[in-house]
Amino acid sequence: GMPVEQNPPALSLYEGADSGLRCNFSTTMKSVQWFQQNHRGRLITLFYLAQGTKENGRLKSTFNSKERYSTLHIKDAQLEDSGTYFCAAENMGYKLTFGTGTSLLVDP
Amino acid sequence: GGIITQTPKFLIGQEGQKLTLKCQQNFNHDTMYWYRQDSGKGLRLIYYSITENDLQKGDLSEGYDASREKKSSFSLTVTSAQKNEMAVFLCASSMGDWGTPSAETLYFGSGTRLTVL
Repeated sequence: GMPVEQNPPALSLYEGADSGLRCNFSTTMKSVQWFQQNHRGRLITLFYLAQGTKENGRLKSTFNSKERYSTLHIKDAQLEDSGTYFCAAENMGYKLTFGTGTSLLVDP
Repeated sequence: GGIITQTPKFLIGQEGQKLTLKCQQNFNHDTMYWYRQDSGKGLRLIYYSITENDLQKGDLSEGYDASREKKSSFSLTVTSAQKNEMAVFLCASSMGDWGTPSAETLYFGSGTRLTVL
């Protein structure tokens, strides 16, 4: 299978809702990064994790290398959260493998 | 803070043409990358460079050349554009000291959108 499986492919939320995205890895990864791609196409780094959990405002991400998954949780979704979210994992140094992305639409 | 600048933003080429995309960063980062993004797919690594004059092939290097002329710039050449090809090419950089968390974080440019007629 794909080295990085990302789900769901698309997600629609109302403002104020909470939801989560998940990436499963076919092999043990050393680290994971989460990115948001905005409507202009630029990717912005949200998190880098080598283990454990990190929070930043309404976003929280967890990486479990042993269980081979990472999650990104969005709390109290806002319109500006709309975009495409990618996870990318590394196990060989310098080379990230990207998931296929989750297209998030937040409606008022 | 720094910035990554990709030129051009839009590139329209003809089948068989050699096309060059440019990327400049002022982070003073060691490592630079070229990724290709196709609609509905994740990013795929074409080439990367861990220092000036270094080149490493990614998973998608066939059909491309790259050049790291100096630390701040990394160019990508499509050696022969394929008819009806449409993709976004994204340049990124990182401090590059892999194994050090803060150094592995990637910073991306806003992309070059390629269309081949």
